[in-house]
Amino acid sequence: DGGITQSPKYLFRKEGQNVTLSCEQNLNHDAMYWYRQDPGQGLRLIYYSQIVNDFQKGDIAEGYSVSREKKESFPLTVTSAQKNPTAFYLCASSIEGTSVLNEKLFFGSGTQLSVL
Amino acid sequence: GEDVEQSLFLSVREGDSSVINCTYTDSSSTYLYWYKQEPGAGLQLLTYIFSNMDMKQDQRLTVLLNKKDKHLSLRIADTQTGDSAIYFCAEILNSGNTPLVFGKGTRLSVIA
Repeated sequence: DGGITQSPKYLFRKEGQNVTLSCEQNLNHDAMYWYRQDPGQGLRLIYYSQIVNDFQKGDIAEGYSVSREKKESFPLTVTSAQKNPTAFYLCASSIEGTSVLNEKLFFGSGTQLSVL
Repeated sequence: GEDVEQSLFLSVREGDSSVINCTYTDSSSTYLYWYKQEPGAGLQLLTYIFSNMDMKQDQRLTVLLNKKDKHLSLRIADTQTGDSAIYFCAEILNSGNTPLVFGKGTRLSVIA
């Protein structure tokens, strides 16, 4: 079955630690996205990538880093510089990215990150 | 800048209709979307409407677009307990250079 897979489902971070959230898709989509979801604040865009080896900052990129070495993978690292990392993180993909005006996103099932 | 506004909560009785409202600010929006998020899960696309349409119906779902007032609504007929979820309105701009802009989501609670 084609889809987008996030792992782990739950993740705990200690003070000063970097953690990496995995996102893999086998939909052959060019574009991938990371969103952060906090209660009552909806989805906020962290980073997005429209093509391999290229990515752009979203609205809240500080304290996060990404890489896009392969089309199917877009891992997100939450660094120690992110002082309030507790949130639900959602990865998404779309066929061609924002050059296509009717842009439907396919979402993973999310990773809940909590601070110990 | 662009902004998408939704009320945060809606409560309805099972069998009644639900109407979830959304306003957006960018008149150049081309497509507008409704996504559904069930607890602890990702978002799923429910339906979308192109900006030159006024209405779109898909089974129990009806989307109404008032482009003059920049108002979008999602009506769910015969609401069921399985419809309890967070519903997000989203827009894509005509410029096509930015990802989807999401509202904060409306949490729909269905009372049996």
